[in-house]
Amino acid sequence: QVHLQESGPGLVKPSGTLSLTCVVSGDSISIDAWWSWVRHSPGRGLEWIGEIYHGGQTNYKTSFKSRVTMSVDKSKNQFSLRLSSVTAADTAVYYCAVSRGWYKLDYWGQGSLVTVSS
Amino acid sequence: EIVLTQSPGTLSLSPGERATLSCRTSQSVSSTFLAWYQQKPGQAPRLLIYGASSRATDIPDRFSGSGSGTDFTLTISRLEPEDFAVYYCQHYGSSWYTFGQGTKLEIK
Repeated sequence: QVHLQESGPGLVKPSGTLSLTCVVSGDSISIDAWWSWVRHSPGRGLEWIGEIYHGGQTNYKTSFKSRVTMSVDKSKNQFSLRLSSVTAADTAVYYCAVSRGWYKLDYWGQGSLVTVSS
Repeated sequence: EIVLTQSPGTLSLSPGERATLSCRTSQSVSSTFLAWYQQKPGQAPRLLIYGASSRATDIPDRFSGSGSGTDFTLTISRLEPEDFAVYYCQHYGSSWYTFGQGTKLEIK
């Protein structure tokens, strides 16, 4: 069973860039799967941000497109999220997740709380 | 964007009772794209149901999903103490995922 673990700074300044990494264990990131980022905040609920395939193909939700970048590092079996120009509205628990098809998110990480504050 | 509305917001039941959770979509969707998750405090969401009615790996058969069109249901036939949690429905469409706001299932 694949295991996902998020890591990154818990505090980001307004207008800065949020950066998180998700380490994959129990399987290779090069399997036939899409690797996603989802966030959860009290005001907005669960929000899907986007996904990346091991070949580098990406699919971002329209509302994040201008600010988000995702990447894969096959050598470290991990993938990353960068969200720029953050505001307090970006404060949330950020989850990484994997979809092996059938339009579902099969496994999720435990989540990483990111607070945007000066 | 399709909006998912879950009801009730909170459901208070006792162990052994039957739970029925609803997810309504703002327009008709294919059941292929509808999934359900369970989340307990401090834990990652866990996939329960996909394709509206298929149980995910290792999910007990007391969990079942049904529905079509705009109305979908998650049923827990006999509640166990570990089933008290928040449940979310999810739809995949227009190349992205959207989620309902959740139903909290609490012990009565």
